[in-house]
Amino acid sequence: GNSVTQMEGPVTLSEEAFLTINCTYTATGYPSLFWYVQYPGEGLQLLLKATKADDKGSNKGFEATYRKETTSFHLEKGSVQVSDSAVYFCALRTNTGNQFYFGTGTSLTVIP
Amino acid sequence: GAVVSQHPSWVICKSGTSVKIECRSLDFQATTMFWYRQFPKQSLMLMATSNEGSKATYEQGVEKDKFLINHASLTLSTLTVTSAHPEDSSFYICSAPPGQGYEQYFGPGTRLTVT
Repeated sequence: GNSVTQMEGPVTLSEEAFLTINCTYTATGYPSLFWYVQYPGEGLQLLLKATKADDKGSNKGFEATYRKETTSFHLEKGSVQVSDSAVYFCALRTNTGNQFYFGTGTSLTVIP
Repeated sequence: GAVVSQHPSWVICKSGTSVKIECRSLDFQATTMFWYRQFPKQSLMLMATSNEGSKATYEQGVEKDKFLINHASLTLSTLTVTSAHPEDSSFYICSAPPGQGYEQYFGPGTRLTVT
């Protein structure tokens, strides 16, 4: 079956700290992988994506590399800001349609 | 980017009544829309896939007679929670892809509280 496992939070970091949020997946075929972010009171927004193995998605200083050998798509940022405080969701989309599978979400709080 | 709206954003209803939630794609047409339910501190759970012009496809364990879905047009899908009970209280989110193989665009969600 298809599933996404995401590191549990909450995560609290000081401003300018390094961030890693782990994400591993199980999927049949060759899925596309995504990170979505949900700011307080808002809907999910696409942060970055990768559609094939070894692709690196990047946006707003965040990066994630599609690792087929380890079935992982870990999210990283070198220096977090207070404005990065949000809930982050790892997700996969199967290559057979539009259905998404989400991880449980990781809450990040960045303190000044 | 593409915009998906939901209405209402927040609703309180009494137990036994029905509530309708609308999901609209504002600047693109969507033959398929998805309805999710999000519990506090948990992930999104796919409830059903809404198909324009045909019946919705429900995930296992989701009561289709309780959660009625109608995809009235290429820009509107509605979710009606019938005979709501307190355990139906949750955050309901819809999403739509602008086409096959695109990422999902999510609505801002609707907070339902059943008293």
